Amino acid sequence: EPEVTQTPSHQVTQMGQEVILRCVPISNHLYFYWYRQILGQKVEFLVSFYNNEISEKSEIFDDQFSVERPDGSNFTLKIRSTKLEDSAMYFCASSDHRQNEKLFFGSGTQLSVL
Amino acid sequence: GESVGLHLPTLSVQEGDNSIINCAYSNSASDYFIWYKQESGKGPQFIIDIRSNMDKRQGQRVTVLLNKTVKHLSLQIAATQPGDSAVYFCAENQGGKLIFGQGTELSVKP
Repeated sequence: EPEVTQTPSHQVTQMGQEVILRCVPISNHLYFYWYRQILGQKVEFLVSFYNNEISEKSEIFDDQFSVERPDGSNFTLKIRSTKLEDSAMYFCASSDHRQNEKLFFGSGTQLSVL
Repeated sequence: GESVGLHLPTLSVQEGDNSIINCAYSNSASDYFIWYKQESGKGPQFIIDIRSNMDKRQGQRVTVLLNKTVKHLSLQIAATQPGDSAVYFCAENQGGKLIFGQGTELSVKP
């Protein structure tokens, strides 16, 4: 069964450093998303992406965050200058023909900012 | 300030019994709802979805019921198995984004 894959599974970084989280969505999917989950809390929406541009973003997704689809398979989330409060599990997701419906999630990248 | 984790509602059932997990949603204009299962250390896994023009949808061992009058969603799991133990989230399509609920932790006793 096709799946969303994310790398790395764990990322430890120093505060102020840049990190790039990588995702390979399901190949025939058109919509891509990033969500995050702080330990013990709800899954929170960050951003959705379609047709090579951001279609929706949350208030969490400020100027420190950016997304990119550099080629036909990868979808990345960059945090320019990490803060302690960016520590969370970051999930990539994709869906096929309808935005925000039947999202398939990856296993996540656990980001720890020290 | 320090973040405090949410205290999840919990449901404990005996193996073989039916489970009912409930969710209240916030926006009467939401037109699509979805249930996810999340096992420890993994990403949310799609279970079943329903549109607002339906009030019931069945899958394999699972049924979702939607009551738009009281903005309530439920997930029924038939013949619950130990492998069903996980946190279950409902989510609604609201304002161009999928908004997740708090989650319910289901424990299945053998």
